[in-house]
Amino acid sequence: KAGVTQTPRYLIKTRGQQVTLSCSPISGHRSVSWYQQTPGQGLQFLFEYFSETQRNKGNFPGRFSGRQFSNSRSEMNVSTLELGDSALYLCASSLASAGQGAYEQFFGPGTRLTVL
Amino acid sequence: KNQVEQSPQSLIILEGKNCTLQCNYTVSPFSNLRWYKQDTGRGPVSLTIMTFSENTKSNGRYTATLDADTKQSSLHITASQLSDSASYICVVSGAGTASKLTFGTGTRLQVTL
Repeated sequence: KAGVTQTPRYLIKTRGQQVTLSCSPISGHRSVSWYQQTPGQGLQFLFEYFSETQRNKGNFPGRFSGRQFSNSRSEMNVSTLELGDSALYLCASSLASAGQGAYEQFFGPGTRLTVL
Repeated sequence: KNQVEQSPQSLIILEGKNCTLQCNYTVSPFSNLRWYKQDTGRGPVSLTIMTFSENTKSNGRYTATLDADTKQSSLHITASQLSDSASYICVVSGAGTASKLTFGTGTRLQVTL
């Protein structure tokens, strides 16, 4: 069974640009969550999608957005990039939403975004 | 405000020794608590998930405990190995309207010879 895949693995952008990251969950999983990880802040929750609907949202500005497609694949978009957006972006998939019970989350390898 | 605090921030132990990592949380209402292991540059991997009715859960040499009354959890690693060197992250899921996952900042463990 294939794991969670994320593309691209590495990305370099300049300030002001926008970026789209992609996440393909494990087959059968309907929940996809996105996280930002920086050395100083640890893992920060961005948002969670379940069956194409955003279920939860973290405390990030509106420049961060996402969506989920009917096949459960998800994309995350960051517009008007800032230097502080440089981070490892992780997505995780699970059978159901975190609020629905103790469902295990499986993380992808992440996309390393560098903003110059 | 829902918070998860972990201690210590970092820890160095000799191979073969045991260690215990701590996690205190304020998330309420509580649904479940998870421990993850994250190797450098990789995504976290789940070690255990415990609901409020579970006091102890083991996964090989890893044993997690949960005291839902005091809102404390610990992760005990037995007979440490060099491959245990990683960050260990405690994550708490709330219930109902607090159903988001709240992450601790992790404990960085280094196992040396």
